[in-house]
Amino acid sequence: GQNIDQPTEMTATEGAIVQINCTYQTSGFNGLFWYQQHAGEAPTFLSYNVLDGLEEKGRFSSFLSRSKGYSYLLLKELQMKDSASYLCAVREQNYGQNFVFGPGTRLSVLP
Amino acid sequence: EADIYQTPRYLVIGTGKKITLECSQTMGHDKMYWYQQDPGMELHLIHYSYGVNSTEKGDLSSESTVSRIRTEHFPLTLESARPSHTSQYLCASSASTSGAETQYFGPGTRLLVL
Repeated sequence: GQNIDQPTEMTATEGAIVQINCTYQTSGFNGLFWYQQHAGEAPTFLSYNVLDGLEEKGRFSSFLSRSKGYSYLLLKELQMKDSASYLCAVREQNYGQNFVFGPGTRLSVLP
Repeated sequence: EADIYQTPRYLVIGTGKKITLECSQTMGHDKMYWYQQDPGMELHLIHYSYGVNSTEKGDLSSESTVSRIRTEHFPLTLESARPSHTSQYLCASSASTSGAETQYFGPGTRLLVL
């Protein structure tokens, strides 16, 4: 079966660094994705990991450990506009290469 | 920026009406998807398509149907809307030829059934 866990809510201060964790259980892992979703809007793609290690893209980095079923999204130099939900999604080989989405982590950035 | 469109963006309709939610993409993606998302909740896959004339049901039971007659078009139809269908419906597409097969989402349709 598929199971993805993320913290429900996090709060951080403008200019700080925040790490959002994601753990997953899967029978046919084929990539992990992070999406950002502002309230009332559609998810937008942030990052993709299929091999172990860190992928950096500007203020955002994503890490993957396949052996531990673990990923994190690191946001640096937080800005108010980073207040959003962050969705962890796993692509499953045994699910037609479709995505299973986690519940999302709602991040609030305070001044 | 992804070129995937959904209409209408907002819809209020009475119980028992038939409705079709439109989704089109201009990226030539072979795969398309419909998700249902309630406010503050996770996305649930309700339908997907691998290409023209291919449609499959997702993990969330849905009373809706889909069709894929053209690559760029993936409409979702509710034959008889009920209040339980009130939700946000998100369409997405991806290219199986790209390594990551990243899904790109449309802006969504917010449906309210009275």
